[in-house]
Amino acid sequence: SQELEQSPQSLIVQEGKNLTINCTSSKTLYGLYWYKQKYGEGLIFLMMLQKGGEEKSHEKITAKLDEKKQQSSLHITASQPSHAGIYLCGADIQDNYGQNFVFGPGTRLSVLP
Amino acid sequence: DVKVTQSSRYLVKRTGEKVFLECVQDMDHENMFWYRQDPGLGLRLIYFSYDVKMKEKGDIPEGYSVSREKKERFSLILESASTNQTSMYLCASSLPDLLTYNEQFFGPGTRLTVL
Repeated sequence: SQELEQSPQSLIVQEGKNLTINCTSSKTLYGLYWYKQKYGEGLIFLMMLQKGGEEKSHEKITAKLDEKKQQSSLHITASQPSHAGIYLCGADIQDNYGQNFVFGPGTRLSVLP
Repeated sequence: DVKVTQSSRYLVKRTGEKVFLECVQDMDHENMFWYRQDPGLGLRLIYFSYDVKMKEKGDIPEGYSVSREKKERFSLILESASTNQTSMYLCASSLPDLLTYNEQFFGPGTRLTVL
């Protein structure tokens, strides 16, 4: 099983709708990162969260970190076709071998015009 | 801006061929990484390098090797390509950090198909 789980696996929304993507860790989190990948292209770093309760925003995208639940949520307000792509969370975690950096499986977002 | 470039966007090779994937970064980063991305599996680390001529195995190094002769260039080598190596390959670089590999900057990716 993967250390980072993302839900939903894929999402289709109509333009203008709000949506939320979740990232949950089975290990202790020390830092949580959100990336976006446009289909067939490289990754774009969106934001990084380090402290419990921390919330960051970039344009219409807001991310929060819930340290107790070992979970982060990415919320997009009034989605646009330009938001379409694959959203990946990455995290610094503590596992049996020490600190490690892992990625989630990704959430594929489609925005219908 | 950090720029990470990869030699090819799309590549088609035959089973058994030797394949070289090149990655170059222009920000003097010490750390460089090679990942592959497959649907439903997310990114998986193949190899990384934290200095010239230094390399470390990631989670899935089998069937791959790497070369880091110069700081700016990190090559991924498939000695004998197989169909299960068909994937999107992503290169990344970052500043040095002994404990974590965060704030990585990614290249555009190379989509490799092995026939």
